[in-house]
Amino acid sequence: AQSVTQPDIHITVSEGASLELRCNYSYGATPYLFWYVQSPGQGLQLLLKYFSGDTLVQGIKGFEAEFKRSQSSFNLRKPSVHWSDAAEYFCAVGDTGGFKTIFGAGTRLFVKA
Amino acid sequence: SAVISQKPSRDICQRGTSLTIQCQVDSQVTMMFWYRQQPGQSLTLIATANQGSEATYESGFVIDKFPISRPNLTFSTLTVSNMSPEDSSIYLCSFHPRGSGNTEAFFGQGTRLTVV
Repeated sequence: AQSVTQPDIHITVSEGASLELRCNYSYGATPYLFWYVQSPGQGLQLLLKYFSGDTLVQGIKGFEAEFKRSQSSFNLRKPSVHWSDAAEYFCAVGDTGGFKTIFGAGTRLFVKA
Repeated sequence: SAVISQKPSRDICQRGTSLTIQCQVDSQVTMMFWYRQQPGQSLTLIATANQGSEATYESGFVIDKFPISRPNLTFSTLTVSNMSPEDSSIYLCSFHPRGSGNTEAFFGQGTRLTVV
């Protein structure tokens, strides 16, 4: 069965510092992979997605993620964090056959001045 | 991009009562999904709703507790029945644009339910 692991429950970074949020997945074939962000009181917004091709994916708000098949990972990165990036981040894997999306537990990002 | 409207946005309900959450999409979609997000938790899929057939429930969720309707390709409802404080969560509906495969899920803003 598919699963997603986000090993960090929360992370604190200083504004302007770089960020990497970890995500590992378990899936039998090449997965569809996503990163979503949920700001307080807001719905989920898609940051980026990977299906195939270039393993480095660019998203919105300056985020990128790299798919590494050998490590079953899809880590999210941003070179310089802004205070407005403080939110909950969810990694997700899509079932290519059944259209289900399975979410990781989420990582809450805190940004300090 | 498609627009998805969910209501109510929040509600406070007495235990033992039921609440129906509505989800409206501005285009026709094949499948709609209902998720629950308990406080401080991730999203858990409750069920998949296809138009014209019964919803398919995930392990741990049953139709008697979470009846779902899908009368047409743009609308679905989820009812939380006989509520208890443990049902306090955010409930979200979701869909994939028609013909897009599982390329991206769009989500409603969610319904924040508090059961007292």
